[in-house]
Amino acid sequence: DTAVSQTPKYLVTQMGNDKSIKCEQNLGHDTMYWYKQDSKKFLKIMFSYNNKELIINETVPNRFSPKSPDKAHLNLHINSLELGDSAVYFCASRGQGKTDTQYFGPGTRLTVL
Amino acid sequence: GNSVTQMEGPVTLSEEAFLTINCTYTATGYPSLFWYVQYPGEGLQLLLKATKADDKGSNKGFEATYRKETTSFHLEKGSVQVSDSAVYFCALSGQGAQKLVFGQGTRLTINP
Repeated sequence: DTAVSQTPKYLVTQMGNDKSIKCEQNLGHDTMYWYKQDSKKFLKIMFSYNNKELIINETVPNRFSPKSPDKAHLNLHINSLELGDSAVYFCASRGQGKTDTQYFGPGTRLTVL
Repeated sequence: GNSVTQMEGPVTLSEEAFLTINCTYTATGYPSLFWYVQYPGEGLQLLLKATKADDKGSNKGFEATYRKETTSFHLEKGSVQVSDSAVYFCALSGQGAQKLVFGQGTRLTINP
């Protein structure tokens, strides 16, 4: 069984469109994250939710809006897509312990044309 | 703030060579340290971790020791294989463990 899953795996769209990426985890974890990996492979945290509440928002533009309908899901909605949004977006989840590992999804490669 | 600096890549080695990828960190308190691996076209997988000073993480022949005195967590493997070709990320999780801070990644290529 897949622990952290993301859909879609690939997303190609035009500038100005609105798109969503979905993430689900079946690990029973309380905390979920979105990370962005740029073209140089650099990874940076975007958001984190704990039990459906936002706990980290790392100066991400307002066009990005995470939504957590329940603690097993954390979706990422992006409005008015820009060329610079092209990247690979990774979802992750973590258990409650302070030393617990973060488990990552397979990533969604977003290409904005 | 917390930060991680990794050895610049890319690194190219022959099969059965010894591998070291350097990683140093800056953090307040006592972070947990991780190595993640990203195989071509895939997501990130945890390779190993260490949660306190002098701990050694190990997995699949890879090892790294948490050195607080040198703020380092270097990744080593005694004999690399072609299948080890991937991008390796050093990361830390600060106290409170709310997020991972990653190094810039090191691309490793192993030639047969």
